[in-house]
Amino acid sequence: AQSVAQPEDQVNVAEGNPLTVKCTYSVSGNPYLFWYVQYPNRGLQFLLKYITGDNLVKGSYGFEAEFNKSQTSFHLKKPSALVSDSALYFCAVRVVKGGKLIFGQGTELSVKP
Amino acid sequence: GAGVSQSPSNKVTEKGKDVELRCDPISGHTALYWYRQSLGQGLEFLIYFQGNSAPDKSGLPSDRFSAERTGGSVSTLTIQRTQQEDSAVYLCASSLVAGPATDTQYFGPGTRLTVL
Repeated sequence: AQSVAQPEDQVNVAEGNPLTVKCTYSVSGNPYLFWYVQYPNRGLQFLLKYITGDNLVKGSYGFEAEFNKSQTSFHLKKPSALVSDSALYFCAVRVVKGGKLIFGQGTELSVKP
Repeated sequence: GAGVSQSPSNKVTEKGKDVELRCDPISGHTALYWYRQSLGQGLEFLIYFQGNSAPDKSGLPSDRFSAERTGGSVSTLTIQRTQQEDSAVYLCASSLVAGPATDTQYFGPGTRLTVL
């Protein structure tokens, strides 16, 4: 069975510092991995995805994610956090057949000035 | 261009009533997905459509839940005889096709369902 884990319920970062939101996955076959962000009372917004190719994936709003096959991880990163990055972040793996997304439990990112 | 839209944005109903939730996907998107977001269960897949057919209904929690899609566009999720545990945010997403290499799912704002 495919699964995703986000080991941290909450991450606290000072504005201007780098941030990392962790994600590990378990899949059979090639992983198709996604990051989404959810602002309060809003739907999910797509940030970036890994399908194949370069292990460092760049996405929206200055975010990037590093795919590490040996560690089965897909951590989300940003070099310099903004207060406006405060939101709920979800990592997801895509099931090949049909394409439903299996989500991690989410990580609340709080960026303080 | 227009994104995925859902209506109503909020729905409060009494236990035992039926509700219908609507999703309008991005124009031209052939795949449509329903998910549910609740405090206890996180984000769960419910059902997906490719065109008007639903190849995967595995996430529907009970036979009180059903969904249909007409004209390859609008979809309706129906919950019959609602229960308090049905209270959640119901999210709809659409994508161009249901293939892994090109398929990014774009989500609507959700419908918050509260069952009293």
